[in-house]
Amino acid sequence: KQEVTQIPAALSVPEGENLVLNCSFTDSAIYNLQWFRQDPGKGLTSLLLIQSSQREQTSGRLNASLDKSSGRSTLYIAASQPGDSATYLCAVKYLSGTYKYIFGTGTRLKVLA
Amino acid sequence: GAGVSQSPSNKVTEKGKDVELRCDPISGHTALYWYRQSLGQGLEFLIYFQGNSAPDKSGLPSDRFSAERTGGSVSTLTIQRTQQEDSAVYLCASTAQETQYFGPGTRLLVL
Repeated sequence: KQEVTQIPAALSVPEGENLVLNCSFTDSAIYNLQWFRQDPGKGLTSLLLIQSSQREQTSGRLNASLDKSSGRSTLYIAASQPGDSATYLCAVKYLSGTYKYIFGTGTRLKVLA
Repeated sequence: GAGVSQSPSNKVTEKGKDVELRCDPISGHTALYWYRQSLGQGLEFLIYFQGNSAPDKSGLPSDRFSAERTGGSVSTLTIQRTQQEDSAVYLCASTAQETQYFGPGTRLLVL
């Protein structure tokens, strides 16, 4: 069964810390992987998209890596700020003949001022 | 520019009634997804539209759920004979080069 798992489920850190969020997937035959953030009561905002052929993507203080062989992706957030507080979701599109994305249940991040 | 919009933002209905949820994607985006997010759950894929191709309906949970996309733009998700377990936030997303742009969602409560 194609699944996506995110650990930890929740994380609380002081402002300024560097942190890593983890995403694991069960099948290495993926098309791409995306990281999103979701603020309470709102839709999702795309942060980074990593194609199957790529190893990492960077945007500002965010860096996402992809290791298909181990079925893992990490989202690195540098110098965290209170405004980074949100739920972070990863989603995988598998090479299984369908177009659907499988989402993890997210990591709820709180950055304390 | 305008993002993805959804209406209504909130919907309260009685068990057994039909509901229609609307999604206006970003102009020019040919692909559109519908998802469901239940309390404490991850996003659940429902249906995918791409251009004029037949939609991927593999995520629809029952035959009470249907969706259409008219003119390759606006999409409507219809739930017939609603049940309490249909209560959730329904999200749609349109895509450009694989990046998904989400609407704010419709929060559905079935009493």
